[in-house]
Amino acid sequence: KAGVTQTPRYLIKTRGQQVTLSCSPISGHRSVSWYQQTPGQGLQFLFEYFSETQRNKGNFPGRFSGRQFSNSRSEMNVSTLELGDSALYLCASSRTPDYTEAFFGQGTRLTVV
Amino acid sequence: SQQGEEDPQALSIQEGENATMNCSYKTSINNLQWYRQNSGRGLVHLILIRSNEREKHSGRLRVTLDTSKKSSSLLITASRAADTASYFCATAVQGAQKLVFGQGTRLTINP
Repeated sequence: KAGVTQTPRYLIKTRGQQVTLSCSPISGHRSVSWYQQTPGQGLQFLFEYFSETQRNKGNFPGRFSGRQFSNSRSEMNVSTLELGDSALYLCASSRTPDYTEAFFGQGTRLTVV
Repeated sequence: SQQGEEDPQALSIQEGENATMNCSYKTSINNLQWYRQNSGRGLVHLILIRSNEREKHSGRLRVTLDTSKKSSSLLITASRAADTASYFCATAVQGAQKLVFGQGTRLTINP
């Protein structure tokens, strides 16, 4: 059974650019959530989707957005990148919407220069 | 602020010894989970304990939960070099479709 797949694994972008990250959940999982991990702030919740609907959003500026497709794959987009957006972005999928167990991808390491 | 606070932030022990990490949280939860992360990679789910449970075992792992104190502990017995990693507690908060993570404990097992 394939795990959660995140692409790309590494990304270098320039300030002001935008970026799109992709997450393919485990087959059959309908819940996908995104987290940002930085040394200073730790793991911060970005947003969560279930059956194409965003159910919860973290405390991030509007430059951070996401969506989920009918096949449960999810993308997140960050526009007008800032240096502080450099982080490991992790996607997690769950079979149930109550998060009894979340499976994480390897993450996308975004560096903004 | 984050839901969970972990203690200690870093722990270094000898191989074969036991390692204990603690986690505190602030609000009512459905469950509490522990994850391991190796060198900035993805998180691996270790064990889940529900709010109505007090203790749970899985292999060399033992987790306790005290909802009156809003705290949990993770015990790893007979540690191995491969246990070197960061360990995070995460709470599934009641009414919120998300996990809230603590800052993590960096565990180093010395051979």
